[in-house]
Amino acid sequence: DTAVSQTPKYLVTQMGNDKSIKCEQNLGHDTMYWYKQDSKKFLKIMFSYNNKELIINETVPNRFSPKSPDKAHLNLHINSLELGDSAVYFCASSHGTGGGRAEKLFFGSGTQLSVL
Amino acid sequence: AQRVTQPEKLLSVFKGAPVELKCNYSYSGSPELFWYVQYSRQRLQLLLRHISRESIKGFTADLNKGETSFHLKKPFAQEEDSAMYYCALSGDNDMRFGAGTRLTVKP
Repeated sequence: DTAVSQTPKYLVTQMGNDKSIKCEQNLGHDTMYWYKQDSKKFLKIMFSYNNKELIINETVPNRFSPKSPDKAHLNLHINSLELGDSAVYFCASSHGTGGGRAEKLFFGSGTQLSVL
Repeated sequence: AQRVTQPEKLLSVFKGAPVELKCNYSYSGSPELFWYVQYSRQRLQLLLRHISRESIKGFTADLNKGETSFHLKKPFAQEEDSAMYYCALSGDNDMRFGAGTRLTVKP
């Protein structure tokens, strides 16, 4: 069983569209994250959720909105896609109290987003 | 604020040569540091963490608080070690990653 699964694996879309990436973890972890990996492989945190509550919201455009229906899911919705949004988006999860340290992260396989 | 710096974007060594991937950090609290690896077409995965003081696939890393470093070392590199390596610091509610170092081990 895949511990952290995200769909779709590849997403090709036109500029201006709205799209969502889904993430689910079956590890019973409390904290989930979204990371963006750009073309230079730089990995940057976007959001962190602990027990369905937003803990971190880095300086990402308002077009990006995370949604966590329960602690096993953290979806990423992107409005009005732009060329610069093209990247690989990784979901991850970990044990963590939200007020303390993140422990080992388990990553999804990534979603390659290409905006044309 | 926490920050992780990996000064080398690319590192190339020959098989059997020693390899060291550098990582420096900045954090006001007591740091908890990790190395993650991403092999070609695979997901990011934990390689090792400083708390465990373990050796994984021949790699070791020692936390040096005086130099604020957590360099990753292996005495004899193998071709299968070719990958992206990320140093990470667990701090205030999240895990921050360095920019990554692409290691290429040539035959």
